[in-house]
Amino acid sequence: GEDVEQSLFLSVREGDSSVINCTYTDSSSTYLYWYKQEPGAGLQLLTYIFSNMDMKQDQRLTVLLNKKDKHLSLRIADTQTGDSAIYFCAESRTNDYKLSFGAGTTVTVRA
Amino acid sequence: GAGVSQSPSNKVTEKGKDVELRCDPISGHTALYWYRQSLGQGLEFLIYFQGNSAPDKSGLPSDRFSAERTGGSVSTLTIQRTQQEDSAVYLCASSPGQGYSPLHFGNGTRLTVT
Repeated sequence: GEDVEQSLFLSVREGDSSVINCTYTDSSSTYLYWYKQEPGAGLQLLTYIFSNMDMKQDQRLTVLLNKKDKHLSLRIADTQTGDSAIYFCAESRTNDYKLSFGAGTTVTVRA
Repeated sequence: GAGVSQSPSNKVTEKGKDVELRCDPISGHTALYWYRQSLGQGLEFLIYFQGNSAPDKSGLPSDRFSAERTGGSVSTLTIQRTQQEDSAVYLCASSPGQGYSPLHFGNGTRLTVT
């Protein structure tokens, strides 16, 4: 099974809020990240949260972390067409230098 | 400052040929990573460099894959005798290598093996 799981698709109307969910399995996760990938581009870091936090807000982005349930979410307020992309959840673990990524959630914003 | 640069951006090769993919990390970043992204898949870790050393090569799919890094900077990923299943986007990332620094990604090389 995968260490980090995400739903594959999300469709949202322009102006609404988007919520992308992620679950992970390792309780030793230290940081959790959200990356955005636009077509033909690499991954762009959106935001990250340390595992002892439960919320982080950055402009239109809100990250919620439920460490007990190992659940991470990314909320995008007032979703715009430019938010259409693939969003990856990733975790880093104690004494591990690499990130483990989910399969990505493709977000489609419709007018 | 410049980000992570990868070349070529696209590569089409015939099955059985060797290919070299290049990554130029952000200046001063000591850690360098190669990941592979196949269609509809997440990112598969391939190899990690700290300076010129590769302490973990466990993600390389087969002995046809190798990578090196020279001068603590540029890295080359080589795939010998390419197969169709090697078709993917190969992403390079770098980080300052301190603590749990986020990874900074290049735009990737899209490899197509025909």
